[in-house]
Amino acid sequence: GDSVTQMEGPVTLSEEAFLTINCTYTATGYPSLFWYVQYPGEGLQLLLKATKADDKGSNKGFEATYRKETTSFHLEKGSVQVSDSAVYFCALSATTGANSKLTFGKGITLSVRP
Amino acid sequence: NAGVTQTPKFQVLKTGQSMTLQCAQDMNHEYMSWYRQDPGMGLRLIHYSVGAGITDQGEVPNGYNVSRSTTEDFPLRLLSAAPSQTSVYFCASSYWGVGNTEAFFGQGTRLTVV
Repeated sequence: GDSVTQMEGPVTLSEEAFLTINCTYTATGYPSLFWYVQYPGEGLQLLLKATKADDKGSNKGFEATYRKETTSFHLEKGSVQVSDSAVYFCALSATTGANSKLTFGKGITLSVRP
Repeated sequence: NAGVTQTPKFQVLKTGQSMTLQCAQDMNHEYMSWYRQDPGMGLRLIHYSVGAGITDQGEVPNGYNVSRSTTEDFPLRLLSAAPSQTSVYFCASSYWGVGNTEAFFGQGTRLTVV
């Protein structure tokens, strides 16, 4: 079945550090890939997405490139801020129809210290 | 806009009790779903609905019932609560299937079963 594997956490960085969060996936066909973020006390919200190979999703300084050859969708940011402290989830959807479902990774907690 | 509203935010139940978690959205979304979030396991899909009168099971449906009588509401019923159902529950909605359109999440319901 479909699955998403995220690197183990938590991750603690200093402000302005470079961030990479690894994500690999297993799926049949050509899934859509997502990063969702959960800020403290809130529900998840979409950070970025990519729907086909070599697409790059970007938002709020975060980027991720859909790499079909390595089945990866790693999240990067050049300079993190304290406000980026949150839980980050990588997810996929194997289909795009009405019955499509999201399969999530375990999530990773990022803490950014001033 | 209110978005996706979940009630209650916190709940403590005794084993064997029943309750309903409420979820309402005001975005006229066809697709609604329920997830549970457990430490180290990410989010897992419980049930979902692609429109009023249509529901289907997700990955972990046992012990939960749903119905969808209106586009706006998608309640989740626990018929006989068990300690294994202690979790944080999230409701999500999207305009169409989540494979292609953004999923909007509520703030969650933290449920403890003692």
